[in-house]
Amino acid sequence: AQTVTQSQPEMSVQEAETVTLSCTYDTSESDYYLFWYKQPPSRQMILVIRQEAYKQQNATENRFSVNFQKAAKSFSLKISDSQLGDAAMYFCASLRAQKLVFGQGTRLTINP
Amino acid sequence: EAGVAQSPRYKIIEKRQSVAFWCNPISGHATLYWYQQILGQGPKLLIQFQNNGVVDDSQLPKDRFSAERLKGVDSTLKIQPAKLEDSAVYLCASRRPLAGGEQYFGPGTRLTVT
Repeated sequence: AQTVTQSQPEMSVQEAETVTLSCTYDTSESDYYLFWYKQPPSRQMILVIRQEAYKQQNATENRFSVNFQKAAKSFSLKISDSQLGDAAMYFCASLRAQKLVFGQGTRLTINP
Repeated sequence: EAGVAQSPRYKIIEKRQSVAFWCNPISGHATLYWYQQILGQGPKLLIQFQNNGVVDDSQLPKDRFSAERLKGVDSTLKIQPAKLEDSAVYLCASRRPLAGGEQYFGPGTRLTVT
């Protein structure tokens, strides 16, 4: 079975600083996709960033970037210049056979 | 383009009652998913549709949950009879039939069973 593990239930960071959220996964697939989703209190799941496993280059979306370590099955999310609007639950997810498997989530708090 | 629509946003029922949730995916999205998200956990897939056919319902508690997607567009998820442990947020998502394609989520329905 495919599993995704987020070992940090909660994280906090000062506004304008950088924070890294951890994620490890387990898959037997050779080709797969990994995602980070953000879920604010409104409950709407919003895609933050996507990584294709066959690409060696780490994905980047503005202030969000990932550190994808395929051999270690690690997929961490770095948020630079943290903003108050970044406060939310963050979920790591892997895609297999068109189905997403989510981790338990990390609650991120931004301190002004 | 309009996003995934879900209704109602909130629902409170007593145990053993029935409830139904509705989802309207993004136009042109052939694949539709229903997830259950219990408080403090990540979403868990209940059922996946491709057009109006079921692709995967292995985690759907079929003794009480049912879902349908008539005409390959809108979908309804029903619980009958509800149990206390069904209290959760029910999320609907849709995607285009592309490899690795992003799933777009609706705002969810928060169900409370008392």
